[in-house]
Amino acid sequence: GAVVSQHPSWVICKSGTSVKIECRSLDFQATTMFWYRQFPKQSLMLMATSNEGSKATYEQGVEKDKFLINHASLTLSTLTVTSAHPEDSSFYICSATPPQVLLPYEQYFGPGTRLTVT
Amino acid sequence: QKEVEQNSGPLSVPEGAIASLNCTYSDRGSQSFFWYRQYSGKSPELIMFIYSNGDKEDGRFTAQLNKASQYVSLLIRDSQPSDSATYLCAVKATGRRALTFGSGTRLQVQP
Repeated sequence: GAVVSQHPSWVICKSGTSVKIECRSLDFQATTMFWYRQFPKQSLMLMATSNEGSKATYEQGVEKDKFLINHASLTLSTLTVTSAHPEDSSFYICSATPPQVLLPYEQYFGPGTRLTVT
Repeated sequence: QKEVEQNSGPLSVPEGAIASLNCTYSDRGSQSFFWYRQYSGKSPELIMFIYSNGDKEDGRFTAQLNKASQYVSLLIRDSQPSDSATYLCAVKATGRRALTFGSGTRLQVQP
């Protein structure tokens, strides 16, 4: 099956600093990747859709200047949390969809990155 | 109304029993439906997908789709303690590339 990796798996940073999270599709090219955030005991909330070679599409309520997304290649998308605050502490998960034109358009998830802002 | 609704549970079943997980969705034009399993502290793992009405079986898992009723279910036969996790229903709605997730149902399989 399709494999998606994330790095780092966990990170602790101080309030006001920036953190970069990488998402890679290891065995397929992903023109589109997705970034989710999950707070404890809650479901996944889509933050943005990352498009290779173009600007990301952010969901309503997600600050694009705070959560910078770059999709530089067909296998790599990065999420940078700028000026992090304790309320940004969460589990960040990326996913990717293999290129296909037919159903079902399944998504494969990376292992996630747990961010703790102190 | 939430786009994808699930009972949060916990749903508790004895080992060896059938666990039945349900999901309803609001967008009648939705095309694909997915069940993911998520263990605590881990990311979701795809279990099954279905996009045609009826049943789809894969090992101990059966997904059922009824588009007229906008209802998707997942049956887990011969439940094992290792099946204890949160099960997320996800839907690909019309015009969206991303999936919309339900809040998940926590399943507990008692040994």
